[in-house]
Amino acid sequence: DAKTTQPNSMESNEEEPVHLPCNHSTISGTDYIHWYRQLPSQGPEYVIHGLTSNVNNRMASLAIAEDRKSSTLILHRATLRDAAVYYCILGSYIPTFGRGTSLIVHP
Amino acid sequence: GAVVSQHPSWVICKSGTSVKIECRSLDFQATTMFWYRQFPKQSLMLMATSNEGSKATYEQGVEKDKFLINHASLTLSTLTVTSAHPEDSSFYICSARPSGGGYNEQFFGPGTRLTVL
Repeated sequence: DAKTTQPNSMESNEEEPVHLPCNHSTISGTDYIHWYRQLPSQGPEYVIHGLTSNVNNRMASLAIAEDRKSSTLILHRATLRDAAVYYCILGSYIPTFGRGTSLIVHP
Repeated sequence: GAVVSQHPSWVICKSGTSVKIECRSLDFQATTMFWYRQFPKQSLMLMATSNEGSKATYEQGVEKDKFLINHASLTLSTLTVTSAHPEDSSFYICSARPSGGGYNEQFFGPGTRLTVL
C-alpha cells in the first residue's frame, strides 16, 4: 500500500489559514487522496477528497501537486473546533491510517 | 450525507465476559465494512475487513477466534470481543463502504469505548 507522511503536529492561531501538508510519493495513478479528521473520542470525519484537480468544499480546500506526490489541506480560517488530528490517506482498497497531524489552534 | 452508527457508544464489562458491538449503515448499503481499534494517543489500527455474506479477513496479529465478526446483511456488521481482558480495553471504530462506491470512499461510525475491568 502506498504510504503517506505528515508532520506530527502543527499550530495555528484562530481565524488564520492553516496549510496541512501530506507527502505520498508512491501514490498510484488511480489512488484518490482522502482527508479525514478526528476529534477526541470520536470516529474520523470526512473532510475532502480529490484525484488530480484542486478541490473546494465548505470545510476546506485540497491542493494537489501536479505530480500528485504531495497534497495540502487548507483550512481557510481556523477555529477552535478545527483542533483535531488530520489524516491523509490514499484510496486503496484497504484503507490504512498513519499517525496524522495533530492541529492545535490557539485562541 | 451517509451515516454510520455504532451501538453501544460505551461499555464496561468484567474480565472473561463477551461484548458485542454493532455497526450499522443507516441510509446506504455497505458490501464492505472495516473494523479498527485505537489505543490512547495512537492512530487507528485496522483489525479486519468484513464483506457481506463471507468470512472476515483479519489483519496480521488479530486473533479471529477472539474478535468474531459477522456481516450478515448489507447494513449491519457486528464485532464480538470474546472472553474480554483488560488489554482489550480500547476505542473500536467501524467504517462502511457504500456498495458500488466509485472511489473507495468510506464512512465512519462514532466509535465504541470498551473498558474491561
